[in-house]
Amino acid sequence: DAGVIQSPRHEVTEMGQEVTLRCKPISGHDYLFWYRQTMMRGLELLIYFNNNVPIDDSGMPEDRFSAKMPNASFSTLKIQPSEPRDSAVYFCASSLFSRSDEQYFGPGTRLTVT
Amino acid sequence: AQSVTQLGSHVSVSEGALVLLRCNYSSSVPPYLFWYVQYPNQGLQLLLKYTSAATLVKGINGFEAEFKKSETSFHLTKPSAHMSDAAEYFCAVSDRGNNDMRFGAGTRLTVKP
Repeated sequence: DAGVIQSPRHEVTEMGQEVTLRCKPISGHDYLFWYRQTMMRGLELLIYFNNNVPIDDSGMPEDRFSAKMPNASFSTLKIQPSEPRDSAVYFCASSLFSRSDEQYFGPGTRLTVT
Repeated sequence: AQSVTQLGSHVSVSEGALVLLRCNYSSSVPPYLFWYVQYPNQGLQLLLKYTSAATLVKGINGFEAEFKKSETSFHLTKPSAHMSDAAEYFCAVSDRGNNDMRFGAGTRLTVKP
């Protein structure tokens, strides 16, 4: 398997623009997670899905953030409008049966908002 | 809810020296425990996991960790550090019943030549 795939790997955008991050989980995995990593706050869980359904979005920082999973092989994380404080590395991860299982991480998207 | 504490945000060792990264957890039920490694500009990858079988768990790249219930610890060790071990290491604990996983703050390992 190719592992978790994320695109783009790097994104530079101006404040106020819409940003869309994409993720393809490992085939057959039931759970998908979106994380944000910064020096100040470390690794934060933003939202996770089970069988394409959002289960817990309590980590989504603001209404500017939204995530969807239209099918088992694709998810997006959207920020609209983006702000400089959104600059971070965003990771997508998937796991096979539960949130308690080992999670497989993608390479991340480094977002810079100027 | 379970939690995990990694003692020491930065650890520096010489090449060939013992690596010891500390992790303590709290959980009201028998946990699953994990160590992940993150190399620069990469995602986290699993080093090893404990799921209630053997208390001494061997992982990739010569790392191992021992589950000690009495000490609520799951420290990561490697007998001899290599330059390629320089990375950030994350301990994680999951509570099987609550379908939850918590990550520690991470420990950055530096290996000096």
